[in-house]
Amino acid sequence: NAGVMQNPRHLVRRRGQEARLRCSPMKGHSHVYWYRQLPEEGLKFMVYLQKENIIDESGMPKERFSAEFPKEGPSILRIQQVVRGDSAAYFCASSQDLGGTEAFFGQGTRLTVV
Amino acid sequence: AQRVTQPEKLLSVFKGAPVELKCNYSYSGSPELFWYVQYSRQRLQLLLRHISRESIKGFTADLNKGETSFHLKKPFAQEEDSAMYYCALIVFQGAQKLVFGQGTRLTINP
Repeated sequence: NAGVMQNPRHLVRRRGQEARLRCSPMKGHSHVYWYRQLPEEGLKFMVYLQKENIIDESGMPKERFSAEFPKEGPSILRIQQVVRGDSAAYFCASSQDLGGTEAFFGQGTRLTVV
Repeated sequence: AQRVTQPEKLLSVFKGAPVELKCNYSYSGSPELFWYVQYSRQRLQLLLRHISRESIKGFTADLNKGETSFHLKKPFAQEEDSAMYYCALIVFQGAQKLVFGQGTRLTINP
């Protein structure tokens, strides 16, 4: 089991471009969570997805950000028309189910907007 | 509001000294709390959870409901303990999610 895989590890985008961050959960995990870590800050919850469903997107900015977890393939966090303030590390975690079970994290994608 | 607070952004202690990383929470329900650790250039990984009451790498954490705290302790710090530590709480709001504190960067000086 390769663990939670995120790619790319580093992504540089110019202002106004789109950023696509991918997360492949651990085998057998159907729950995916995305977190954002701004410089000098902690991890902020963004969105919780199960296959083909967004369960909780209370931490997602209302505009430009979207997430999906299709039946086949990785979960995608998409940021349209990126701005400098989007520069951050984005972490994905997966679990079989919360409620005391462990959430496993990917190594993160560091997005830099220039 | 559900919240996890780690009051210290940075903590520096000498090798062999005791370590305590503070964590306070605010939650109306029955809390499930965790400590996660992130070593340099590695992914976040679970260190321990209060349900299992285990000791990992010499660290322990006791849930104190009266003080709403879940402080992480180790009697004798080692250099390899230098890392970023996050306290986390499972919150049930229609669905479950992990809410993290701001993190504490622990540095162990030789």
